[in-house]
Amino acid sequence: DTAVSQTPKYLVTQMGNDKSIKCEQNLGHDTMYWYKQDSKKFLKIMFSYNNKELIINETVPNRFSPKSPDKAHLNLHINSLELGDSAVYFCASSPTEAEENIQYFGAGTRLSVL
Amino acid sequence: AQKITQTQPGMFVQEKEAVTLDCTYDTSDPSYGLFWYKQPSSGEMIFLIYQGSYDQQNATEGRYSLNFQKARKSANLVISASQLGDSAMYFCAMRAHGAGSYQLTFGKGTKLSVIP
Repeated sequence: DTAVSQTPKYLVTQMGNDKSIKCEQNLGHDTMYWYKQDSKKFLKIMFSYNNKELIINETVPNRFSPKSPDKAHLNLHINSLELGDSAVYFCASSPTEAEENIQYFGAGTRLSVL
Repeated sequence: AQKITQTQPGMFVQEKEAVTLDCTYDTSDPSYGLFWYKQPSSGEMIFLIYQGSYDQQNATEGRYSLNFQKARKSANLVISASQLGDSAMYFCAMRAHGAGSYQLTFGKGTKLSVIP
């Protein structure tokens, strides 16, 4: 059983389109995250979310929005896709209360905007 | 603000030898956690090891150990008895403890190549 699963693994789309990436975790964690990994492999937080609060990295354009239908899911919606959005997007989850707060990552979604 | 520095873009190691991947960090938070992740060519991010800032002993997980030197603000990863499957990108990361500060700050990574 995959602990954190993302779909799709690959996403190729045209500029201007709207797309979503789904993320589900079966670890019982209550905090989930989205990270972006650029072409130089640098990973940067986009959002962290639990049932109490959404923390948004201020550098993330408002075309990106996380949607959480329940504690086990945190989907990423992207409107009006741009060339610069091409990257690998990782979902992660962690238990909020544990001091270690180890984050477990999904396999990533490689987004290519043409 | 937190910062992670990994100064080795690439490293080579002979199979069966040990290798140290460097990581230094900067933070004003009194309590924090340090992490190492492995990213093989297949792309997934795999958690390797964790060290808390108040832990008295260095963390170990199998062939991985974390050489934690708090005064020097360093958290180097040591891999013993390297295997071909250890070839991957390795990322050092940190997180401040405390409510509202859950996200990880990552370094730029080190690409490790294990030579047969």
